[in-house]
Amino acid sequence: GAGVSQSPSNKVTEKGKDVELRCDPISGHTALYWYRQSLGQGLEFLIYFQGNSAPDKSGLPSDRFSAERTGGSVSTLTIQRTQQEDSAVYLCASSLGSLTDTQYFGPGTRLTVL
Amino acid sequence: QKEVEQDPGPLSVPEGAIVSLNCTYSNSAFQYFMWYRQYSRKGPELLMYTYSSGNKEDGRFTAQVDKSSKYISLFIRDSQPSDSATYLCAMPQAGGSYIPTFGRGTSLIVHP
Repeated sequence: GAGVSQSPSNKVTEKGKDVELRCDPISGHTALYWYRQSLGQGLEFLIYFQGNSAPDKSGLPSDRFSAERTGGSVSTLTIQRTQQEDSAVYLCASSLGSLTDTQYFGPGTRLTVL
Repeated sequence: QKEVEQDPGPLSVPEGAIVSLNCTYSNSAFQYFMWYRQYSRKGPELLMYTYSSGNKEDGRFTAQVDKSSKYISLFIRDSQPSDSATYLCAMPQAGGSYIPTFGRGTSLIVHP
C-alpha cells in the first residue's frame, strides 16, 4: 500500500472488554511504532518494534497492554480489560529502520471505552 | 514539568498573516528538532526537521532553533486556510533511544 493503514478506524467497546488494534506498515519498513494521543495531550510513545522484536516497550502503561508483530510486517496492539482512561486515538508509525529515519503515521484508531 | 512544553492554542489568524508557533524544552540532550503537522482525523506528517541552531527555510515555512534558550519556533508566512491544522514539535534524545518526545500540539486556524 501507499501508506500506513490501521484498522478499525473507530472502535467503541464496553469497560472490561478486550480490544485488538491492527497496523499495516509501509512495505519494506522494518521499524514500527505505537503511540497514544489523548485529548489535549501530545503523542505518548507506547512501544517500538525492529523487525519482530520490541527493543523498547517502556511506554506501555500497564500489563493490560501488549503488542506483537509477525513476519516483520503487521502489528497488533491488544488492550485487555479496557478502562475508560484507555479512550484515545492509537497511532501507528513505520520507518525504514534506523531510529533517525522519518516516521510515517497511519490515520489512527479512535478507541472509546464506555 | 514536561520535557517539551507547547501552548495548545487555538491560535486564530486571518489569511495572509505570519504565524509563529513555539516550543520550549528542558532536556539539553535534545539535539534534533522536528515539526509535524496533523490535520483533523489524520496522523501527523513530518513538516520540517533541523539539527542545529539557527534557521532552516522550506518554502513558506521557517524552523528556528535557539539551543541556549531551549526554544524552537516554526514560522509560517502568507498563511492559508489549508494551513489550519495542529502543529506538534518533537525531539528525539540523541545517544539514547531516539524515540521522539512530542509537545501537546498547537491548534492553528487560518480564516479567509
